Amino acid sequence: DVKVTQSSRYLVKRTGEKVFLECVQDMDHENMFWYRQDPGLGLRLIYFSYDVKMKEKGDIPEGYSVSREKKERFSLILESASTNQTSMYLCASQSPTGNIQYFGAGTRLSVL
Amino acid sequence: GEDVEQSLFLSVREGDSSVINCTYTDSSSTYLYWYKQEPGAGLQLLTYIFSNMDMKQDQRLTVLLNKKDKHLSLRIADTQTGDSAIYFCAETEYSTLTFGKGTMLLVSP
Repeated sequence: DVKVTQSSRYLVKRTGEKVFLECVQDMDHENMFWYRQDPGLGLRLIYFSYDVKMKEKGDIPEGYSVSREKKERFSLILESASTNQTSMYLCASQSPTGNIQYFGAGTRLSVL
Repeated sequence: GEDVEQSLFLSVREGDSSVINCTYTDSSSTYLYWYKQEPGAGLQLLTYIFSNMDMKQDQRLTVLLNKKDKHLSLRIADTQTGDSAIYFCAETEYSTLTFGKGTMLLVSP
């Protein structure tokens, strides 16, 4: 089974803090994704990566950056957290077979 | 751009069949998916269908694809209370997936 692990289930941070959300997959997938999920808005793509050190902006990249130094790890960075970044963050790893995305359990981030 | 639409809410009684509908706009979609999300969890793939198929059945799940009308449906037979969750429809043409906003299915005893 594909395993996608997000480092934290719940996180509380203060406005202005730098926040790191980590995601690790164990299937040697090249493509990895970060989404945020908000009530009534569904899933919105923040950034994705096709390979190590490669990154592409999604639909809502503002206020975020990413890092992919190793194939198995894709990190989402909030340079200076703001209250409007309070959300559920979901990481996904994609199989080349059928483009199926496998999701982590999510990180619920609260920015106070 | 691509768009995927779903109704927001469906309520059924235990033992009934549930049908969740989805429409999409991208005629070049290669795969279409149904994901399930239980409270506080990530998305779990339920099933997917290749765009040249009309139907796929997997135990209690039946997926129907009408490519002409760009309509996808998920039928859950003998719905159980454990099926209560949010169901997302998604489509892909290349690598990225476009998700609908999700349909909340509530199953009452």
